[in-house]
Amino acid sequence: ETGVTQTPRHLVMGMTNKKSLKCEQHLGHNAMYWYKQSAKKPLELMFVYSLEERVENNSVPSRFSPECPNSSHLFLHLHTLQPEDSALYLCASSQDLGQVTTEAFFGQGTRLTVV
Amino acid sequence: GQNIDQPTEMTATEGAIVQINCTYQTSGFNGLFWYQQHAGEAPTFLSYNVLDGLEEKGRFSSFLSRSKGYSYLLLKELQMKDSASYLCAVVDSNYQLIWGAGTKLIIKP
Repeated sequence: ETGVTQTPRHLVMGMTNKKSLKCEQHLGHNAMYWYKQSAKKPLELMFVYSLEERVENNSVPSRFSPECPNSSHLFLHLHTLQPEDSALYLCASSQDLGQVTTEAFFGQGTRLTVV
Repeated sequence: GQNIDQPTEMTATEGAIVQINCTYQTSGFNGLFWYQQHAGEAPTFLSYNVLDGLEEKGRFSSFLSRSKGYSYLLLKELQMKDSASYLCAVVDSNYQLIWGAGTKLIIKP
């Protein structure tokens, strides 16, 4: 238990579906992140939020839409995905964005399969 | 470009010692992390090095040489539960985390 909870743990969706991934942290952290993890590839940073403001979007396709309603919750809304989007989606949080030299706490991830 | 290199997979025997290497070429350096990730689980923090040398934490130690762009994670007295992927990540000059692809460590009895 890392203090970061992601739901659902597994998701299978068709290319025309709309779904949302949820992340919740009760660590009092101010920064939250979405990562994509594909097999045998480095973690890819998708979005960064600091104090509920989006501060980074690493050229992610618009079919991925993040939402951060408050500092404890982060969503990733999905629509019209492609099979190559199948991956493990990890949420993470850290105390503050500027303190990248402190550890990040990760959720267990959502295993997404697009069919 | 920025690059982190780690072996894809390693195998070791229970009770033995294993060293997982990580080499990096990044624009600047502000520290190096090691994370452990069991299959289907969250990555968890193991160590952070910003100065040269060896830091020991129980059975795990992490070494850094900034001049060589090199780090290793040393695991002693291996246990079956150490079977996991080990991720190396470097903080560059813009304070961005650059991740390696991870090393899958398989422990055999």
